[in-house]
Amino acid sequence: KAGVTQTPRYLIKTRGQQVTLSCSPISGHRSVSWYQQTPGQGLQFLFEYFSETQRNKGNFPGRFSGRQFSNSRSEMNVSTLELGDSALYLCASRADNGGTNGYTFGSGTRLTVV
Amino acid sequence: AQKITQTQPGMFVQEKEAVTLDCTYDTSDQSYGLFWYKQPSSGEMIFLIYQGSYDEQNATEGRYSLNFQKARKSANLVISASQLGDSAMYFCAMRDNTGGFKTIFGAGTRLFVKA
Repeated sequence: KAGVTQTPRYLIKTRGQQVTLSCSPISGHRSVSWYQQTPGQGLQFLFEYFSETQRNKGNFPGRFSGRQFSNSRSEMNVSTLELGDSALYLCASRADNGGTNGYTFGSGTRLTVV
Repeated sequence: AQKITQTQPGMFVQEKEAVTLDCTYDTSDQSYGLFWYKQPSSGEMIFLIYQGSYDEQNATEGRYSLNFQKARKSANLVISASQLGDSAMYFCAMRDNTGGFKTIFGAGTRLFVKA
């Protein structure tokens, strides 16, 4: 079956612009989480969605937002981009709330802000 | 607040030997899950192994085993018979099983397997 698909793979934006990243989870997976990965901060939790509802939000400013659609696809948006937003953004999906299954991660979107 | 600590930024191991990657965690929850993930240089995160907080036996998956010591709040990953392909970043993670199933990650340990 198809894995977690993130688009685009690479993105270059200018400070002040906004960006939308997309994530298509594995078919049947209702939980989607987003992480920001940087060399200095590691993997930082952004949001978690389950059945179109945001259940958890990390400690990021309001410029970071997201949503999940009825088909479980998710988008995250970053407005007024800053240089520090340059990072690898990872999307991960899971079938259910708990259980023994770990996430399945996408390949990520590498965002560079110049 | 929940926290995951991985104190080894980098580790070296000889091919075919076993290696232990350390992970300690802090939580006030009774129900939680512990995970290990591998991130090769290609960048994609790969789920390796899971341990539930109520599991009495240590989890094993092939060459991976999780040494779970609940009282010490540690969840070390043991890789037996290391292979060159095991060279990667390894992340310990913890999921809250009661509040909202949020998963947090440690800083990671980079493992180098020497031929």
